Amino acid sequence: DAGVIQSPRHEVTEMGQEVTLRCKPISGHDYLFWYRQTMMRGLELLIYFNNNVPIDDSGMPEDRFSAKMPNASFSTLKIQPSEPRDSAVYFCASSWDSQKETQYFGPGTRLLVL
Amino acid sequence: QKEVEQNSGPLSVPEGAIASLNCTYSDRGSQSFFWYRQYSGKSPELIMFIYSNGDKEDGRFTAQLNKASQYVSLLIRDSQPSDSATYLCAVEGGKLIFGQGTELSVKP
Repeated sequence: DAGVIQSPRHEVTEMGQEVTLRCKPISGHDYLFWYRQTMMRGLELLIYFNNNVPIDDSGMPEDRFSAKMPNASFSTLKIQPSEPRDSAVYFCASSWDSQKETQYFGPGTRLLVL
Repeated sequence: QKEVEQNSGPLSVPEGAIASLNCTYSDRGSQSFFWYRQYSGKSPELIMFIYSNGDKEDGRFTAQLNKASQYVSLLIRDSQPSDSATYLCAVEGGKLIFGQGTELSVKP
């Protein structure tokens, strides 16, 4: 079975540009999570969805960040405008409803904002 | 602010030794505890979870939980060089809160 799929795997952009990260969760999973990982702050939850509905977006750092899940098999995390401090690895993870905390992580997107 | 604390390491152990990784958490209401392993440049993967006080064993891995002390640990017996990775402790408190991770290095 395919795991969580993320694209792009690497993104280099310039400050002020819009960045869109994409995620396809494992088929049948009810929860989808977006995390950001940096050396300074570790792994932080940004937002998570249950059955395509955003449940908790308290980790979204500011209004420049937005996330959508238009259907059960696709989600996006958008940063507009991007800033150098947004440089990080962004992970998407998914899980079943009955085992929300047993999360399967995608390979991540390494974002560098110059 | 719910917190999960881990020693950042690096923790270096010789091959065949027992590696002991520790984690403390601040939320007394937490009920579920997880250990994720993350190889350099890779994504985290779940290796153990524990819900009840005491020990839980899975192969060479043992998770230990003491809710009174708000302490959870991971023991790796017969450590192998392939165990070299960062180990992330995660605590469920409405959502998963991750510690900063402990880097483990197993020397041949």
